[in-house]
Amino acid sequence: QKEVEQNSGPLSVPEGAIASLNCTYSDRGSQSFFWYRQYSGKSPELIMFIYSNGDKEDGRFTAQLNKASQYVSLLIRDSQPSDSATYLCAAHNAGNMLTFGGGTRLMVKP
Amino acid sequence: AAGVIQSPRHLIKEKRETATLKCYPIPRHDTVYWYQQGPGQDPQFLISFYEKMQSDKGSIPDRFSAQQFSDYHSELNMSSLELGDSALYFCASSSLTSGGSTDTQYFGPGTRLTVL
Repeated sequence: QKEVEQNSGPLSVPEGAIASLNCTYSDRGSQSFFWYRQYSGKSPELIMFIYSNGDKEDGRFTAQLNKASQYVSLLIRDSQPSDSATYLCAAHNAGNMLTFGGGTRLMVKP
Repeated sequence: AAGVIQSPRHLIKEKRETATLKCYPIPRHDTVYWYQQGPGQDPQFLISFYEKMQSDKGSIPDRFSAQQFSDYHSELNMSSLELGDSALYFCASSSLTSGGSTDTQYFGPGTRLTVL
């Protein structure tokens, strides 16, 4: 079992809809969590991080963390075709390395 | 804003050859991380350096070595290359001494290594 799990998708949503991306983790020692967006062949691009229980909003993006359930999510409001990419959830635990989930491929259809 | 710089961007090598990948972190970042991403896979942590000392080690093969220099740039040296080493190699940097609430890693554009 991977330490960080994501549904590989693809997750298909129509333009303008809310995309909901989910991630679970197994290490209760994980302190903070990151969402990266990665276009094919490109580098991971930071969207946002979260380390406290609850919601954190940044523009069209909202990250949610529930440490009791070991669950992290990312909501993308008003999805655009340009949001089509692979979204990587990563946990920051003991040491400074990031442990990534397998990524969820999001497709936003015009 | 300045970002992480990696060179070369593309590299083609034969089996059993050696390769050196370079990473220049964001200015004033003191920590460098190396990740390997195979086709269709998520990035896997290889090794990291903080203030020129190795700080963490992940799934880095013994054939690979790395170091961080006094100007904080880092080099990943890969020897006896194998076909399975073909991948994207990302460098990321962060500032552990900035006093921020968390250690956020920013990724470079990557080096695509192809081993023939």
